Amino acid sequence: QKEVEQNSGPLSVPEGAIASLNCTYSDRGSQSFFWYRQYSGKSPELIMFIYSNGDKEDGRFTAQLNKASQYVSLLIRDSQPSDSATYLCAPEIPGNRDDKIIFGKGTRLHILP
Amino acid sequence: ETGVTQSPTHLIKTRGQQVTLRCSSQSGHNTVSWYQQALGQGPQFIFQYYREEENGRGNFPPRFSGLQFPNYSSELNVNALELDDSALYLCASSLEAGGLQYFGPGTRLTVL
Repeated sequence: QKEVEQNSGPLSVPEGAIASLNCTYSDRGSQSFFWYRQYSGKSPELIMFIYSNGDKEDGRFTAQLNKASQYVSLLIRDSQPSDSATYLCAPEIPGNRDDKIIFGKGTRLHILP
Repeated sequence: ETGVTQSPTHLIKTRGQQVTLRCSSQSGHNTVSWYQQALGQGPQFIFQYYREEENGRGNFPPRFSGLQFPNYSSELNVNALELDDSALYLCASSLEAGGLQYFGPGTRLTVL
């Protein structure tokens, strides 16, 4: 069973619209969740993290977490061409002494000018 | 810029050779995690070092080994290189194990 599932896309969204990126995870023990943005040929960049159920907003980004459904999402409001990138969902997988972060394959987002 | 540096930027090796990749963590961070990212895939967890000790390992063979130094910089060593080892190798540092991770720019390894 895959630990982190994301739609690979590409997800095409018109400029100015809301982009919605979804992620499901398998480990019910996960408590921390991270979203990274990765431009082509570059390394991942941390853009959001969320620990509690509900919504967390930071500028144009909103992360949503539902631990009962094992679901986390990222909304990008007023999408800009510069938002075109791959977005990686990364839950923390708890261990006895080795908490580690596992990445999904990512969703490619394309903002249409 | 995250303050995490990696060297070299690019590397070309032939099958069967050995390679060492280096990572300097962000100031104050004691944990370094290494990832392998193949084209079109998400980063795959190789292992993590916390205060100079291996603190978790992903599904990678023993020919992938590592080291963390007292200044918390780290090395990734890969022996007996295979073609499938061609990938972007990323290191990420964090304040503590399981904390927010910040990535370096990566090392692009090509195995011919």
